[in-house]
Amino acid sequence: KAGVTQTPRYLIKTRGQQVTLSCSPISGHRSVSWYQQTPGQGLQFLFEYFSETQRNKGNFPGRFSGRQFSNSRSEMNVSTLELGDSALYLCASSAGTGVTEAFFGQGTRLTVV
Amino acid sequence: KQEVTQIPAALSVPEGENLVLNCSFTDSAIYNLQWFRQDPGKGLTSLLLIQSSQREQTSGRLNASLDKSSGRSTLYIAASQPGDSATYLCAVPNAGGTSYGKLTFGQGTILTVHP
Repeated sequence: KAGVTQTPRYLIKTRGQQVTLSCSPISGHRSVSWYQQTPGQGLQFLFEYFSETQRNKGNFPGRFSGRQFSNSRSEMNVSTLELGDSALYLCASSAGTGVTEAFFGQGTRLTVV
Repeated sequence: KQEVTQIPAALSVPEGENLVLNCSFTDSAIYNLQWFRQDPGKGLTSLLLIQSSQREQTSGRLNASLDKSSGRSTLYIAASQPGDSATYLCAVPNAGGTSYGKLTFGQGTILTVHP
């Protein structure tokens, strides 16, 4: 069974630009969560989508947004990029109900220059 | 607000040693606790999931225990190998409501096993 797929793996963007990251969850999983990982802050929760609805949201500015499609694939968008947005962005896939194990993708390494 | 702490922050051991990684959390109303491994620049690999009703889980040389009342979990690695070198993270979903998909992570323990 295929794992969690994130694309692209690497991105270099300029300050002020916007970027879209994609995450395809494990087949049958309805929950996709996004995390930002930086050396200083560790892993921080961005938001979670379940059945196309945002179910949980972390403490990030409105420049960070997401959506989920009917096939459970999710996209995350960051507008007006700042240097501090450089990070490894990880998505996690889970069934989303009951006691559920989270499975992570390999991440997208975003560098803002 | 849930807070997760991992001790030690880093650990360096010779091959063959048995070792224990510690994780503590402030809010004991959790559904489960999950241990992950992360290699440099890579994603997270799930190692073990312990449900709140369980005391421990085992997978190969790994054994994780959970004491909800004291807010603690330990990951025991038997007969460590150089291939075990990685960062180990524990995470808990926030308690209450539908917070299954929101994990709070510790800062991790960086493990180095040298030959």
